[in-house]
Amino acid sequence: GAGVSQSPSNKVTEKGKDVELRCDPISGHTALYWYRQSLGQGLEFLIYFQGNSAPDKSGLPSDRFSAERTGGSVSTLTIQRTQQEDSAVYLCASSFLMNTEAFFGQGTRLTVV
Amino acid sequence: AQTVTQSQPEMSVQEAETVTLSCTYDTSENNYYLFWYKQPPSRQMILVIRQEAYKQQNATENRFSVNFQKAAKSFSLKISDSQLGDTAMYFCAFRTMNYGGSQGNLIFGKGTKLSVKP
Repeated sequence: GAGVSQSPSNKVTEKGKDVELRCDPISGHTALYWYRQSLGQGLEFLIYFQGNSAPDKSGLPSDRFSAERTGGSVSTLTIQRTQQEDSAVYLCASSFLMNTEAFFGQGTRLTVV
Repeated sequence: AQTVTQSQPEMSVQEAETVTLSCTYDTSENNYYLFWYKQPPSRQMILVIRQEAYKQQNATENRFSVNFQKAAKSFSLKISDSQLGDTAMYFCAFRTMNYGGSQGNLIFGKGTKLSVKP
């Protein structure tokens, strides 16, 4: 596609429910990144993929968070048993090679009530 | 581990004036990239400018330029002739040039909120 696409744009969920956030990177981009951004805060790194593998998962805040990437393309970030502190904007980015700039999606605003 | 520090949480500047945003980083690597990203209220992250560490010449993109001091591990952004549309959060970011492991991460600072006043 023309840019990085994330869905849904907004998600409101009840505490304890599971949610899936989707990221569709720019076609051909091998690297994919997930970040979390709390209101007015910086970007907290969660995980990145090189192809389908995730060399670094160290940013995932707890075992309730997981992510996968299939076919070297679409990625899904899953949060199980959501908590109110999970409320944030989740940003996805992709890049063609590890050494070039990353392009960002518009993010998914997750609200846990 | 690499870290990026932006020491100015908020700044303001008058329209048409010049403003400089600070960024310092810590790394043991010799080859890396540095970036400035802009995030307006629309939430869309936009690349403003990038700098390769092996290049001595400071990068320039129209009204945006950087002052890259490798020895001091400093990478400041200068915005000349500030415009109302420059109002945004500005993030400094770092990435090594190596492949694999955690070295591919794009590490961000906490950001500087810039307000351009008419």
